[in-house]
Amino acid sequence: DTGVSQNPRHKITKRGQNVTFRCDPISEHNRLYWYRQTLGQGPEFLTYFQNEAQLEKSRLLSDRFSAERPKGSFSTLEIQRTEQGDSAMYLCASSSGGGGAFFGQGTRLTVV
Amino acid sequence: AQRVTQPEKLLSVFKGAPVELKCNYSYSGSPELFWYVQYSRQRLQLLLRHISRESIKGFTADLNKGETSFHLKKPFAQEEDSAMYYCALTGGYQKVTFGTGTKLQVIP
Repeated sequence: DTGVSQNPRHKITKRGQNVTFRCDPISEHNRLYWYRQTLGQGPEFLTYFQNEAQLEKSRLLSDRFSAERPKGSFSTLEIQRTEQGDSAMYLCASSSGGGGAFFGQGTRLTVV
Repeated sequence: AQRVTQPEKLLSVFKGAPVELKCNYSYSGSPELFWYVQYSRQRLQLLLRHISRESIKGFTADLNKGETSFHLKKPFAQEEDSAMYYCALTGGYQKVTFGTGTKLQVIP
């Protein structure tokens, strides 16, 4: 499968725990995006990388959220001290320019 | 700021009827507009983009800069078109902003 890959697909965690998600983009894509999607809503922009540089971070993203793309390839999204409101589908997408973004299957986070 | 508005949460049409999914946008520069589709239990996927002026699965969309709209149209709906449809805009730094989506339900 040469598409965008996200792991894990599902994560259940207790409130207060830290979680980390991984995204492997399409190999030749230099742009990588993280989105969050809750029921009945469209994807909400969280952050965006061009190569290893994080160019924009949404105000939705509190200090508990951090994302990295250390070598301009895969990316990780970490949520510290999870809260029940963090429960959502976390989507990763990649693109190489103006051709539109390709999405992964997402990681569904449930905070109990 | 860039914003995308999809006024309809749900659109129900009979099979064979025309479909129009509305999308309006707000962006001060020259945007790129896209339609994405999400079928049940599948990932979000690109349907079409305005710059290629293509028709995919019978769907077309024309960018109207005067009305800041990018409505998605299909002359004859099919049952397999039932899905969530998201309009999206790419603006500064190639950031992609999505609308809240419209669920298209094609009634047999």
